[in-house]
Formats: sequence, C-alpha cells, structure tokens
Amino acid sequence: QQQVKQSPQSLIVQKGGISIINCAYENTAFDYFPWYQQFPGKGPALLIAIRPDVSEKKEGRFTISFNKSAKQFSLHIMDSQPGDSATYFCAATSGGYQKVTFGTGTKLQVIP
Amino acid sequence: GAGVSQTPSNKVTEKGKYVELRCDPISGHTALYWYRQSLGQGPEFLIYFQGTGAADDSGLPNDRFFAVRPEGSVSTLKIQRTERGDSAVYLCASSLRSGRGETQYFGPGTRLLVL
Repeated sequence: QQQVKQSPQSLIVQKGGISIINCAYENTAFDYFPWYQQFPGKGPALLIAIRPDVSEKKEGRFTISFNKSAKQFSLHIMDSQPGDSATYFCAATSGGYQKVTFGTGTKLQVIP
Repeated sequence: GAGVSQTPSNKVTEKGKYVELRCDPISGHTALYWYRQSLGQGPEFLIYFQGTGAADDSGLPNDRFFAVRPEGSVSTLKIQRTERGDSAVYLCASSLRSGRGETQYFGPGTRLLVL
C-alpha cells in the first residue's frame, strides 16, 4: 500500500528556475511531514518539515506548501542550482516515535 | 561530530547465506531505526529501537530478519537464509529522542547484493 504518493518521478529544471514536487497522502493519522534530500551513495538528509496546522513553511530557497483538506503537500525550490541535483523524498509520520513513511522519490536535475 | 556509520559499506553474498549488518548511531542518541531502500524507491521502515528494546518491528518482512541493540548503542541487523529479493540498501538512522519532530540522521547505508 502506497500511503504517500509522489510526483513527478523525475524533473529537469534550468538553473535559476523553480522546481516543484508534489505529494499526496491517504492516512489522516499522519501528523508530521518531512522532506528528505538524498545524493548518490548517501543516506537521506532532512531538508525541511511541516506540521499540518501550518499551511506554508519557508527556509531559504525551500518552501513547503500544505493543504490539509486535500491531503496534499508540495516542495518548491526557488532559484534552483546545479548543486540541488539530487533525489527528493516527501514523507509522513504518525505516532509518538516518528516511523517515517517515504514517497517514491523525485530525481531532480538542474542544468546550467 | 561523527554521524551515523554503517559497516560494511558493501556486502556480496550467496543465496542461502547469513549476513550481519552493523550500525553505529550518533553518540547519545536513544532512538535507532532500520530502513530498506530498493533501487529507485523510497526507504521502507523495518524496525525501531528505543534504548535496548525493539519498540516496533512491524516492518520486518519475515522471520529471516532480526535486529538487536544489546547495550542501547550499536545495532546489528541479521538476515538468515538470504534470498535474491533481499538485495537492497539497508539504511540505519538515529535520533536524540523519539517523538514527533525529532530529526532522524541517516547513515550512508550498506549495499547488500545476494547472488
């Protein structure tokens, strides 16, 4: 059962452009939504996260938009840079110990 | 400081063999997690430890998989009678505490290939 659906599977963006990755979830018990960035050969690293009582969170060039009623959330990367080229995972957690349910990932390539 | 380390970084084994994968969490982190990441997929939860005890092992696929954390620090994931379908990257993560909002820090993973 795919509890967190992510799209697109891959994305190519010009340097300076906006990268947008979308996710949707089914389980209404999810109460925390982190995004992870993963470079080849490395483990995922937390990028930014949001709680469902907030509609938007911004950290530098990264913004999460959250729509609780639609059970959807998205990551926007402003002024995308070649160094942002990586695989991005949306995720969701529930319960007291943060068992993380990951999306399928989006491979982002930022071309100069 | 040092992050989560995992050994070996790569493991090639034959079908039917036994393997052990080791995780050294960040010092002082009480919570430890194991995930499995198949090619082109997101990590999938296997097991969670709070201290020495396995608080949730609901993600272990079958009884060939077992994990321990005897002293509340280092953890070992053990796979018996390996199958080709076990080939994946096994990721370990740790967090200072368990709970919503606690950041999980991932290691680089062990790439397991079962021939």
